[in-house]
Amino acid sequence: AQKITQTQPGMFVQEKEAVTLDCTYDTSDPSYGLFWYKQPSSGEMIFLIYQGSYDQQNATEGRYSLNFQKARKSANLVISASQLGDSAMYFCAMSPDYKLSFGAGTTVTVRA
Amino acid sequence: KAGVTQTPRYLIKTRGQQVTLSCSPISGHRSVSWYQQTPGQGLQFLFEYFSETQRNKGNFPGRFSGRQFSNSRSEMNVSTLELGDSALYLCASRPGQTTDTQYFGPGTRLTVL
Repeated sequence: AQKITQTQPGMFVQEKEAVTLDCTYDTSDPSYGLFWYKQPSSGEMIFLIYQGSYDQQNATEGRYSLNFQKARKSANLVISASQLGDSAMYFCAMSPDYKLSFGAGTTVTVRA
Repeated sequence: KAGVTQTPRYLIKTRGQQVTLSCSPISGHRSVSWYQQTPGQGLQFLFEYFSETQRNKGNFPGRFSGRQFSNSRSEMNVSTLELGDSALYLCASRPGQTTDTQYFGPGTRLTVL
């Protein structure tokens, strides 16, 4: 079974600053994918970034980057230059197979 | 390309009733998965359909069922509704491989009174 841990229930960040969201995972599968999703108050789950377990380089997508430390089983999300529209719940998820297993989420509030 | 669509967006039912939720995947995507999101349990996998066949199932009672049509659209049915079924139901689609990224719809918020 897979377990995803997000230890930060809520975070505040100043506009234009960077923020790091923590995610650790536990799995015995050698091959897996790690994902980050954003969920605004509207409810839709928006895909942000993906990292494969065999990828040598950390994934980046625009202002989002994933700090992947395989030995520590950690996959932290870094959002650079925060914007007011980044205020949302962020979920770390993992999939070695057909389904996604999600963490509890971290609420990010961006202050002007 | 249009995203995943779900209808209806909001639904209010009473205990004992049944409900059907609909999901239209991204064009060309053949796999549709359903997830339930509640404040207490978080996000939990319900089932996945691929080419009109249920490929995988989560740990939910038989009151939860689904199907997929030849155009990849999927429906989810919950019979004999209970108060605990109140949740946001999210549908996700992907091209087909289990390693593909899943893209979610806006969800259907079900309230059971």
